[in-house]
Amino acid sequence: GQQLNQSPQSMFIQEGEDVSMNCTSSSIFNTWLWYKQDPGEGPVLLIALYKAGELTSNGRLTAQFGITRKDSFLNISASIPSDVGIYFCAGGEGSQGNLIFGKGTKLSVKP
Amino acid sequence: SAVISQKPSRDICQRGTSLTIQCQVDSQVTMMFWYRQQPGQSLTLIATANQGSEATYESGFVIDKFPISRPNLTFSTLTVSNMSPEDSSIYLCSVDGGPGTDTQYFGPGTRLTVL
Repeated sequence: GQQLNQSPQSMFIQEGEDVSMNCTSSSIFNTWLWYKQDPGEGPVLLIALYKAGELTSNGRLTAQFGITRKDSFLNISASIPSDVGIYFCAGGEGSQGNLIFGKGTKLSVKP
Repeated sequence: SAVISQKPSRDICQRGTSLTIQCQVDSQVTMMFWYRQQPGQSLTLIATANQGSEATYESGFVIDKFPISRPNLTFSTLTVSNMSPEDSSIYLCSVDGGPGTDTQYFGPGTRLTVL
């Protein structure tokens, strides 16, 4: 089946630094989603991307849907301690329900 | 986005027993899903809960082990049957973000520990 390669697996950064993470796939997706999961909570949707080449921002977060439809990245600018958590990418095939999740990027921010 | 609640939020159970997890949404949704997240792992889809018909299970998951109900457009249950320690996971329900979109919104999860 389809698989997503998400990297890096973990990041340790200083407060104020910018962060970048990405997901790649051998298959095409029609939707790319980015979620954040805090300990003991369910994933929260950060950004949804629906068109190849689309670049979308949500506050300090920016994500892009790769032009080949096989990749996406998420950038976080000027990180703060509350950015700590696990970030998941997910690819959708456009058939409602078939989301494939990456393995997650664990972000740690040092004050 | 919809507000989703799950009960219980966590439980510790003995092997061989069963636990039913409830998922309630504050608005009618077309699709509801159940995921499993094993410790330190990503999310794996168990099944799609269909209103008024049998759930659609993903490869590796069967109805006898994970029976699902969906009596209406705002509620679903997942039962983890005849539990073993390998069933210790977070179980998450999610709902679709609207017609024509792959977006899903997740509940807070149920953390299950099987002794």
